[in-house]
Amino acid sequence: GENVEQHPSTLSVQEGDSAVIKCTYSDSASNYFPWYKQELGKRPQLIIDIRSNVGEKKDQRIAVTLNKTAKHFSLHITETQPEDSAVYFCAARGGYSSASKIIFGSGTRLSIRP
Amino acid sequence: DTEVTQTPKHLVMGMTNKKSLKCEQHMGHRAMYWYKQKAKKPPELMFVYSYEKLSINESVPSRFSPECPNSSLLNLHLHALQPEDSALYLCASSQDYPGHYEQYFGPGTRLTVT
Repeated sequence: GENVEQHPSTLSVQEGDSAVIKCTYSDSASNYFPWYKQELGKRPQLIIDIRSNVGEKKDQRIAVTLNKTAKHFSLHITETQPEDSAVYFCAARGGYSSASKIIFGSGTRLSIRP
Repeated sequence: DTEVTQTPKHLVMGMTNKKSLKCEQHMGHRAMYWYKQKAKKPPELMFVYSYEKLSINESVPSRFSPECPNSSLLNLHLHALQPEDSALYLCASSQDYPGHYEQYFGPGTRLTVT
């Protein structure tokens, strides 16, 4: 079945610097790749997503890139701020054999140092 | 209304109790999901309902019984749970058709089994 690997598991960056989180997926038929941010005690919140027919998408300080050939996608956060501190999950929606099923990566705990 | 709601927020139950978790959305979404999330782990899919019919059961023990009374409501009936079932239970919903795969999560029910 689909497997999503996420790295690193923890990431600490200086405020104002950039943060990059990387994920790989196994199902070549996967067609949708969301990213969720989860603050302590809160629900996972969709922050950006990308579809398989797009290579890059940007929303203010957040961008996601997708390399379908290599089956990996990345989250880029620029000009990091203290409120960016949270756990980030990448995910992949399965292909034709697993419609409706979104598989999550193991998560990255991002800490922003003041 | 762009929100998924869940009740109760917290639940403490004994191993012989029967309780239910409730989830509601009024976004007209066709798919609804139950996830289980343990501390420092990603959400783990339990069940998927599509058009009010159970479409995915991730081999969840029978002590968890889902129900979808109508397109806006999703319940999870709990009976004879074990302490290891203590977790955050998240409900989510999505349109789940091409171009509209975004899943939105409710705030979750924090369940403690004593």
